[in-house]
Amino acid sequence: KAGVTQTPRYLIKTRGQQVTLSCSPISGHRSVSWYQQTPGQGLQFLFEYFSETQRNKGNFPGRFSGRQFSNSRSEMNVSTLELGDSALYLCASSPTTDRVTEKLFFGSGTQLSVL
Amino acid sequence: GQQVMQIPQYQHVQEGEDFTTYCNSSTTLSNIQWYKQRPGGHPVFLIQLVKSGEVKKQKRLTFQFGEAKKNSSLHITATQTTDVGTYFCAGPDSNSGYALNFGKGTSLLVTP
Repeated sequence: KAGVTQTPRYLIKTRGQQVTLSCSPISGHRSVSWYQQTPGQGLQFLFEYFSETQRNKGNFPGRFSGRQFSNSRSEMNVSTLELGDSALYLCASSPTTDRVTEKLFFGSGTQLSVL
Repeated sequence: GQQVMQIPQYQHVQEGEDFTTYCNSSTTLSNIQWYKQRPGGHPVFLIQLVKSGEVKKQKRLTFQFGEAKKNSSLHITATQTTDVGTYFCAGPDSNSGYALNFGKGTSLLVTP
């Protein structure tokens, strides 16, 4: 079974630009979560989607958005990039359904650098 | 809001020594999960604890969930260089069970 696939692996953008990151979950997983990882703040929850519905959103500004498609693939978008958005963005899928989050399977992440 | 805290932040041991990392939540948890992230890698699920006072073992790793379900620990016996990495604990968000709140992790360095 293929793991969680994230593209692109690396991305360099400049301030003010926008970026779209993609995530393909493990086959059969309908829950997709996104996390931002930085050395200072650790892993911070961005949002979680299940069957195309956002069920929870973390404490991030509205510049961060996401969506999930009918095939469970997910994208996240960051508009008007700031230097502080430089981070590793991790996508994780889970076999969870309507219960509390079960174990997460993480992708390799997208390393975003904002110059 | 709910906070998950881990100590220590860093630990440097000689190969063969034991290692313990502690995790504390500001709220009672329905379950707690542990993940390991190797340098340059992504977090990998290790285990989930659900019951109060639960203890689980995986070879040299021993995981405990506190009686009050607010704290947990991971103990590694006789560390090896393959144990190098950052160990995270995570618990379901108290407002919504669909998010996991991660501690900031304990980075373990093992010197041969």
